[in-house]
Amino acid sequence: GDSVTQMEGPVTLSEEAFLTINCTYTATGYPSLFWYVQYPGEGLQLLLKATKADDKGSNKGFEATYRKETTSFHLEKGSVQVSDSAVYFCALSSGGSNYKLTFGKGTLLTVNP
Amino acid sequence: ETGVTQTPRHLVMGMTNKKSLKCEQHLGHNAMYWYKQSAKKPLELMFVYSLEERVENNSVPSRFSPECPNSSHLFLHLHTLQPEDSALYLCASSRRQNTGELFFGEGSRLTVL
Repeated sequence: GDSVTQMEGPVTLSEEAFLTINCTYTATGYPSLFWYVQYPGEGLQLLLKATKADDKGSNKGFEATYRKETTSFHLEKGSVQVSDSAVYFCALSSGGSNYKLTFGKGTLLTVNP
Repeated sequence: ETGVTQTPRHLVMGMTNKKSLKCEQHLGHNAMYWYKQSAKKPLELMFVYSLEERVENNSVPSRFSPECPNSSHLFLHLHTLQPEDSALYLCASSRRQNTGELFFGEGSRLTVL
């Protein structure tokens, strides 16, 4: 079945540091890939998405590229801010009649001033 | 404000109580979902409703009973729960069923004593 593997957290960075959160997946067919973010005390919000190989999703300075050859969708940001502190979830959607959105376990990011 | 409102935000109940969680979406979406979020575990999809019809019941115990009276409202009725059911219960909606672009509420934090 489908699965998503994210790097274990927590990740702690200083402000303006470079961020990478690794995500790899296993899926049948050609899934769509997503990153969701959960700020403290809130629900999840869609951060970015990519629907086909080599697509790059981007939003709020974050970006991730759909790499079919390595089955990866790593999240990156060049300069993190304290306000980026949150839990980040990688997810995939296989679509079709057996639709299901499969999430990774989440990675807690803490950015210190 | 994501357009998905959940009440109550916090709930404490005994194992013999009956309570309900409520979700309302103001986005005109046709699909609604219940997810369970427990510490150190991936989000678990519980139920999916599309156009008010339940399309997925993910092997959820019968002590959880969903209800979708119309496309804007979703309930999760709880009875004779166990302490391991303590978790954050997240409601989400999407424009249609087979998309990974979900809009989440802030969740209902449930504690079962």
